[in-house]
Amino acid sequence: DQQVKQNSPSLSVQEGRISILNCDYTNSMFDYFLWYKKYPAEGPTFLISISSIKDKNEDGRFTVFLNKSAKHLSLHIVPSQPGDSAVYFCAAFPGSGNQFYFGTGTSLTVIP
Amino acid sequence: GAVVSQHPSWVICKSGTSVKIECRSLDFQATTMFWYRQFPKQSLMLMATSNEGSKATYEQGVEKDKFLINHASLTLSTLTVTSAHPEDSSFYICSAREGTASGGHQYFGPGTRLTVT
Repeated sequence: DQQVKQNSPSLSVQEGRISILNCDYTNSMFDYFLWYKKYPAEGPTFLISISSIKDKNEDGRFTVFLNKSAKHLSLHIVPSQPGDSAVYFCAAFPGSGNQFYFGTGTSLTVIP
Repeated sequence: GAVVSQHPSWVICKSGTSVKIECRSLDFQATTMFWYRQFPKQSLMLMATSNEGSKATYEQGVEKDKFLINHASLTLSTLTVTSAHPEDSSFYICSAREGTASGGHQYFGPGTRLTVT
């Protein structure tokens, strides 16, 4: 049962434009959300996170938006750069225990 | 930032043999480490949670006798795939949590690509 879903397996964006990656979840107990970036044959690296008490968190070119009523979060990258090309995973944490629930990933390609 | 290493990064083994994968936190102590498995184009699936000095906690559907986990120190956890079969071929990733707080950041290793022939 996939509790965190990324419905777009891939996304292509021109350099300099905005990249928007989407993530939906089903478990209302999730209260902490994270985005990870992953290059091929490497482990994921933490990018940005957001607590459920917020609806927006910004860090440089990266902004994460959370819509709790819709159980939806998105990652905005602006301006997009070729080095941003990677697979992006969203992950959710239910507030207790150890398990992070990962989405299936979205492969972003930024075209120079 | 915190660094987690894995060794080997890539291993090929014959069916029926066992393979050990090491996960080390290089600049911090990790009381809890996690082992994930990723199939192509699929999400990371948590296999087990490894706690230093105690038995690992396995997720439902993961065979504990097949995937042996040892967390002997605060900086090292090992995953041994016993009697490997071709269907065990996958990308195995470990992560380590800094500190003891639940929900604290997990730092991921670079992963190990296992191919069983």
